[in-house]
Amino acid sequence: AQRVTQPEKLLSVFKGAPVELKCNYSYSGSPELFWYVQYSRQRLQLLLRHISRESIKGFTADLNKGETSFHLKKPFAQEEDSAMYYCALSGLSFKTIFGAGTRLFVKA
Amino acid sequence: GAGVSQSPRYKVAKRGQDVALRCDPISGHVSLFWYQQALGQGPEFLTYFQNEAQLDKSGLPSDRFFAERPEGSVSTLKIQRTQQEDSAVYLCASSLGRGTAYNEQFFGPGTRLTVL
Repeated sequence: AQRVTQPEKLLSVFKGAPVELKCNYSYSGSPELFWYVQYSRQRLQLLLRHISRESIKGFTADLNKGETSFHLKKPFAQEEDSAMYYCALSGLSFKTIFGAGTRLFVKA
Repeated sequence: GAGVSQSPRYKVAKRGQDVALRCDPISGHVSLFWYQQALGQGPEFLTYFQNEAQLDKSGLPSDRFFAERPEGSVSTLKIQRTQQEDSAVYLCASSLGRGTAYNEQFFGPGTRLTVL
C-alpha cells in the first residue's frame, strides 16, 4: 500500500540551527516525492520535488530508495521557515498521497 | 494572474443537509484534484479530473460524495445528507499537465465545512 509517514508532529529548533524533517514512504515502484509547505494564513504550495534536484529557500531533500526516505534538510534555520511541512508521494495513478505533516517552529 | 479559488470559504451545515463546494481552477489547467483534510491530518485524495473526464474517484468516501467538471473548467463537489464525520477542509488543486508526474499542483484556500 502507498503510505507516507512523517514521524514528528512538531519540531522546534533555534534560529541558525540545522533542521531535518523526516519522511519515510512505502511504495512498490518508482515514486515521485515532493515537499509541500503551508505558511501561516497561506495556502499549501510546492516547496521542492526530488526530480528537480534543486535547493529552494536553502532546503534540500535527497531520495534514499534503500531506506525509502526523503528527508528535508536545511543547514541554518530561519524564523521565516516556521510553517507546516507535508511530504507527498505520487506514483503511476492520479493520486498524491500526503503525510500527516510536521509543524516546524524556529525560535529566535 | 489569479490562482485557484474556492467558494464558499466557510460552510456550516446541519446534519442531513446537502452542500455544494465550488472550485475555480487556474485558466487553462487540464488537471483538477479534490482533497479532504481532517483536523491534524494531511490532505487525502478524493478525486481527479482531466478536463471534463473524471478519471479517478477512488478516494470518495461514500456514494454521498459526487464531483463534476462538466465543461472542463469549474468543478463542484457535492455532499448529500452530510454527516458529522464530513467536517473537514476541502481543498481543490489544479495543474497544467496531465496526471501527477512532473506537474506542480496549485492549491486553493480550501472550504472549511462544519457539520453540526
